[in-house]
Amino acid sequence: NAGVTQTPKFQVLKTGQSMTLQCAQDMNHNSMYWYRQDPGMGLRLIYYSASEGTTDKGEVPNGYNVSRLNKREFSLRLESAAPSQTSVYFCASRAKLAGSTDTQYFGPGTRLTVL
Amino acid sequence: AQKITQTQPGMFVQEKEAVTLDCTYDTSDPSYGLFWYKQPSSGEMIFLIYQGSYDQQNATEGRYSLNFQKARKSANLVISASQLGDSAMYFCAMRETFLGLTFGKGITLSVRP
Repeated sequence: NAGVTQTPKFQVLKTGQSMTLQCAQDMNHNSMYWYRQDPGMGLRLIYYSASEGTTDKGEVPNGYNVSRLNKREFSLRLESAAPSQTSVYFCASRAKLAGSTDTQYFGPGTRLTVL
Repeated sequence: AQKITQTQPGMFVQEKEAVTLDCTYDTSDPSYGLFWYKQPSSGEMIFLIYQGSYDQQNATEGRYSLNFQKARKSANLVISASQLGDSAMYFCAMRETFLGLTFGKGITLSVRP
């Protein structure tokens, strides 16, 4: 049981290059999320997927696209990277636990630098 | 207006003492959830505690407790018996519907031996 996994851990891109960040969870969760964290800031929601086959924009979606490939996998794509997208990217999935307990489990993060 | 406000720039606590980290929130949704996460220097996000808006009692998880004052819209984290490993950044966050979590800017906690 690996929880939430992300690849790659680190990436350096040149402005205008594209790449896809991969995320997978093995906890059978319906909802998955992509966040970015900039220095000295909390996390901000980019996109989310409430269930397989659906995706919606979060607070900062510009410059990104997502794909919910199946229940396990939720990928984030940068079509034309810009220096403003230099950040740490976190994927998360949501668990509604026994009683009213609710949480999101986060992956280890991808540190992306755009030159 | 900010949805989650964490105004303490940095906190220091002596090992084995208790510390309170402040968080205020703003929402008009009657159903919401409040979370605290820990982010050590290694960067991962570690879930600590959750409080639902309809929960009657304050949440507790081991050394962590959440002081939930609904009328004041505050959700302070209390860490009892601080340990050196508690030194980290702490984030308060709120969930409204499926829109993911809204995070505060975080508080740095340093535990002194």
